[in-house]
Amino acid sequence: DAKTTQPTSMDCAEGRAANLPCNHSTISGNEYVYWYRQIHSQGPQYIIHGLKNNETNEMASLIITEDRKSSTLILPHATLRDTAVYYCIGNSGGSNYKLTFGKGTLLTVNP
Amino acid sequence: SQTIHQWPATLVQPVGSPLSLECTVEGTSNPNLYWYRQAAGRGLQLLFYSVGIGQISSEVPQNLSASRPQDRQFILSSKKLLLSDSGFYLCAWRGIFATNEKLFFGSGTQLSVL
Repeated sequence: DAKTTQPTSMDCAEGRAANLPCNHSTISGNEYVYWYRQIHSQGPQYIIHGLKNNETNEMASLIITEDRKSSTLILPHATLRDTAVYYCIGNSGGSNYKLTFGKGTLLTVNP
Repeated sequence: SQTIHQWPATLVQPVGSPLSLECTVEGTSNPNLYWYRQAAGRGLQLLFYSVGIGQISSEVPQNLSASRPQDRQFILSSKKLLLSDSGFYLCAWRGIFATNEKLFFGSGTQLSVL
């Protein structure tokens, strides 16, 4: 997996957009950027992934810079239930889909 | 729909005792299966993964072993537990198609070795 760097923790007000950054300056051309989140004492949950283009689904949006050295996960309207640890992972997928989860970012959504 | 079952939810075992954690997946065939461990306050560590029956790859040397006796069954074992084996153990599966890029996790087993 590509080495990724994320802030240890972030706070966000309920109803506001949460923007979670991730640096992956050594990511290779065939590696996707995956985002998962883990609510306390549960297994991680897939959020979104992308290669070059920005992606959006029902949970979040993923903005990848043109040089692919960083990305931002956007939760458009954060709720208290979005409080979790968010993991950014670089991986080439396919037969190499053995994701390594680092320490991630603890996002706390405040009322 | 696909579901993953993992049990038990919690387990307290003495040092030196054996371990067997079981994980089963329903609603899919030939999944890729994974065992992860999360020590307190730390990230998830990949322990084993399997792409088919009897095929096990170990990611880190340790006191544990894994087996896949059936297509949708993945077992994590130890002959003699160590204190350092304590942690939150998670089983996960993924579909075999290259376009299926999601890992689905079970609810986990909290293991305390005393």
